[in-house]
Amino acid sequence: GESVGLHLPTLSVQEGDNSIINCAYSNSASDYFIWYKQESGKGPQFIIDIRSNMDKRQGQRVTVLLNKTVKHLSLQIAATQPGDSAVYFCAENPGGPGTYKYIFGTGTRLKVLA
Amino acid sequence: EAQVTQNPRYLITVTGKKLTVTCSQNMNHEYMSWYRQDPGLGLRQIYYSMNVEVTDKGDVPEGYKVSRKEKRNFPLILESPSPNQTSLYFCASSLQAASTDTQYFGPGTRLTVL
Repeated sequence: GESVGLHLPTLSVQEGDNSIINCAYSNSASDYFIWYKQESGKGPQFIIDIRSNMDKRQGQRVTVLLNKTVKHLSLQIAATQPGDSAVYFCAENPGGPGTYKYIFGTGTRLKVLA
Repeated sequence: EAQVTQNPRYLITVTGKKLTVTCSQNMNHEYMSWYRQDPGLGLRQIYYSMNVEVTDKGDVPEGYKVSRKEKRNFPLILESPSPNQTSLYFCASSLQAASTDTQYFGPGTRLTVL
């Protein structure tokens, strides 16, 4: 697998439990946020996004929470499965609507224990 | 199948030997971008292209060139590679250069410059 996961914080979760992965973003003007999943040897894969006018958004088994007061983003994965094992990172768009530059976080490794 | 492809997936080369990493997408996307991913750092944008013949520098463009002669291809060129360009490279594309357009990433190219 690829070595970009070295030295990442790791979250170990029992299969079937819920996972919460956190991200602190840097720019209070950022108005759009994305969570990505990166499996070993693969490119990042879009999971879920949220705009700054929302506090919460739900997808299939995933929920993103946004706290603009403390510039904090979290990803909740319900009933974590072995296939959820990966590196997860957030991205923020600091430039406002219509811009396309992102700041990417370094990521958290999620390990699902059988 | 809609996808972004990169070639080669792995490359070991020596300092100063020009190389090109190809990127191709079959989704008729206007926006394409190159990133590098290094341990302890988030994805950093090298160059991007909003459409054919339109390219611009990202955050870390030094030592790289790109071209966008046709919509589907966006090659990354290293005229004189150096060891500090050893990294994992990702190409991405999205329908348009809009902040909320989902970026689709290629599988990555692991480059080692000796």
